[in-house]
Amino acid sequence: NAGVMQNPRHLVRRRGQEARLRCSPMKGHSHVYWYRQLPEEGLKFMVYLQKENIIDESGMPKERFSAEFPKEGPSILRIQQVVRGDSAAYFCASSPLGQTNYGYTFGSGTRLTVV
Amino acid sequence: RKEVEQDPGPFNVPEGATVAFNCTYSNSASQSFFWYRQDCRKEPKLLMSVYSSGNEDGRFTAQLNRASQYISLLIRDSKLSDSATYLCVVMPNAGNNRKLIWGLGTSLGVNP
Repeated sequence: NAGVMQNPRHLVRRRGQEARLRCSPMKGHSHVYWYRQLPEEGLKFMVYLQKENIIDESGMPKERFSAEFPKEGPSILRIQQVVRGDSAAYFCASSPLGQTNYGYTFGSGTRLTVV
Repeated sequence: RKEVEQDPGPFNVPEGATVAFNCTYSNSASQSFFWYRQDCRKEPKLLMSVYSSGNEDGRFTAQLNRASQYISLLIRDSKLSDSATYLCVVMPNAGNNRKLIWGLGTSLGVNP
C-alpha cells in the first residue's frame, strides 16, 4: 500500500511563473490537507479538502493560491505568479473517513524554490 | 491563547537521559490527541496517539489529563536518534471534520 505520494519532490520556478504541486492520498483515504513550512518555522495549515469539496481554506492566501481534489486524480495545489516568498516546503497529508484515532499520513513534500 | 501550546525548547540532553515534553490545548471538547516527530527537512511522522488512560510504546510514554487540558510525552533512555522536533497535535472536532491543530513543536537534541 503506497503512502501519500507527492510530486515533484523539488520544483524550481522563476518569479511570475505558475507552480503546480500534486498529491495522491493513501488508498482509501478521502481527506487531503496541504501545509506549508518555511525554513526554521512550524507547519502552517493551508487547506483541507475532500473529493470535489473544500472543507476549510482558512490558511490559504486570498490571492494566487488555489487547491482542488477532483473526483478522479490527485489533489492539486496551484500557485500563480510565484514570488520569492513562496519558496518553502509544501506537505500534503491524508486521512481516512471516520477513524478519529488515526492521525494524518504525510507525503515527503515538494520543495519549491522561486528564483 | 494559542489552541495548542508547547515549550519550543531547545532541550539538549545527554544520551541516556529522561526528558519530558508538555503541551496544553484550549478546546475542552477536543477528541483525539497525537505526538508527531519531525526530522530536519523531512515530513512529520506519527509517533503515537494519546489515550485517556495513558499509553506506552517502548521508551515512549504519553499521558493525557483532560481536566487540565494537558498532554505529555516522556522519553526514557534517550538515544542520539531521538534528536528531532516533537509536535503536539489535537483534533478538536468529532464527526467528519478531521482537521488537526498543531503545536509549533519542541526541539530535542541528544548529545553523546
